[in-house]
Amino acid sequence: DAGITQSPRHKVTETGTPVTLRCHQTENHRYMYWYRQDPGHGLRLIHYSYGVKDTDKGEVSDGYSVSRSKTEDFLLTLESATSSQTSVYFCAISDRVAGANTGELFFGEGSRLTVL
Amino acid sequence: AQRVTQPEKLLSVFKGAPVELKCNYSYSGSPELFWYVQYSRQRLQLLLRHISRESIKGFTADLNKGETSFHLKKPFAQEEDSAMYYCALSGHSGNQFYFGTGTSLTVIP
Repeated sequence: DAGITQSPRHKVTETGTPVTLRCHQTENHRYMYWYRQDPGHGLRLIHYSYGVKDTDKGEVSDGYSVSRSKTEDFLLTLESATSSQTSVYFCAISDRVAGANTGELFFGEGSRLTVL
Repeated sequence: AQRVTQPEKLLSVFKGAPVELKCNYSYSGSPELFWYVQYSRQRLQLLLRHISRESIKGFTADLNKGETSFHLKKPFAQEEDSAMYYCALSGHSGNQFYFGTGTSLTVIP
């Protein structure tokens, strides 16, 4: 498995509280992604990063923010968690070279978040 | 806008039977298509990509640009193929990957 770890792996929180999920990689890959996985919706991209301090929105970015201050860490923050954000969150990394469509995503084990 | 459609949420086949998991896409350009698989208690992982034209674990997938499809096929299903399968698309920028809703395959002994 690629060197990707997510923390926490499980979290239960209450509506309105802030939550931060951490993704840590040891592969020195440029691209990092946050997805959420929900039944009937598959995997949906929340935010991604293409370098330190370089991030962009995905399909379902409302209510989420991200930060990448170091190559190895990509943080996902829910400023004020809602029940609709109950999900399994996956971090992924890629070593895709710009202009070369040969990248592969490597996934973390997932973080299960429950918002009561 | 890009979209990946997997029409079957659940698919059950008997061991030894052929299996086909459908994937259709919409994208204004030349996308790169992938199949990812998630076995029970394992991480989501790449199964195959169209650009490689490879067969992995007996699975193949051909990109049909006319029908905008990238169906995954295997002539003889095995019990260990039971898993969740996701079709994914990456556009020309190469920065974003879009996934379908997934198909849960069960191979019946």
